[in-house]
Amino acid sequence: DVKVTQSSRYLVKRTGEKVFLECVQDMDHENMFWYRQDPGLGLRLIYFSYDVKMKEKGDIPEGYSVSREKKERFSLILESASTNQTSMYLCASSNYRGSNQPQHFGDGTRLSIL
Amino acid sequence: KQEVTQIPAALSVPEGENLVLNCSFTDSAIYNLQWFRQDPGKGLTSLLLIQSSQREQTSGRLNASLDKSSGRSTLYIAASQPGDSATYLCAVSPTGTASKLTFGTGTRLQVTL
Repeated sequence: DVKVTQSSRYLVKRTGEKVFLECVQDMDHENMFWYRQDPGLGLRLIYFSYDVKMKEKGDIPEGYSVSREKKERFSLILESASTNQTSMYLCASSNYRGSNQPQHFGDGTRLSIL
Repeated sequence: KQEVTQIPAALSVPEGENLVLNCSFTDSAIYNLQWFRQDPGKGLTSLLLIQSSQREQTSGRLNASLDKSSGRSTLYIAASQPGDSATYLCAVSPTGTASKLTFGTGTRLQVTL
């Protein structure tokens, strides 16, 4: 069965800290995604990756960076956390770019920046 | 820029009713449309994916239709159950890539006993 695992369900950090959110998938998927979900705004794409060491900006990349050193792992980095980055963060993966295959999501990390 | 709208934002129905959730999108040049379910505090679970060349997809009590030219999709749930209570989201991917999704803000469904 498909499995996307996010390292933390809940995380509390302080303003200015560097924060790492980790995501691992066990399906050998090429594509991986990071979204944030906020009430009234829905899911918005932060960054995505089509392959190892490859990344592309989504709709709201400001204040974030990503790393994909291995195919199964995609990390989201908040360079200097701010209170407006308090949100639910969701990781997803899917099969190769041209495929009509659904995205599979992790359970999310609820991040609070104090 | 693609925009996806879901109406209503919330819906409450008694158990056993059939119901329809609506999704509309502004740019008809899509690769596919997906319906997801999200339980409180959880991630998304894929329900149905309709390719741009298809008109509908079915899975159990769920049926999703797609009218690409009018920019509309519906999710039909037959004989609703309390376990169907969740938020339902639709998302579209643009032509040229099946990967990058634009989501609606969802319809929160409550099925009452």
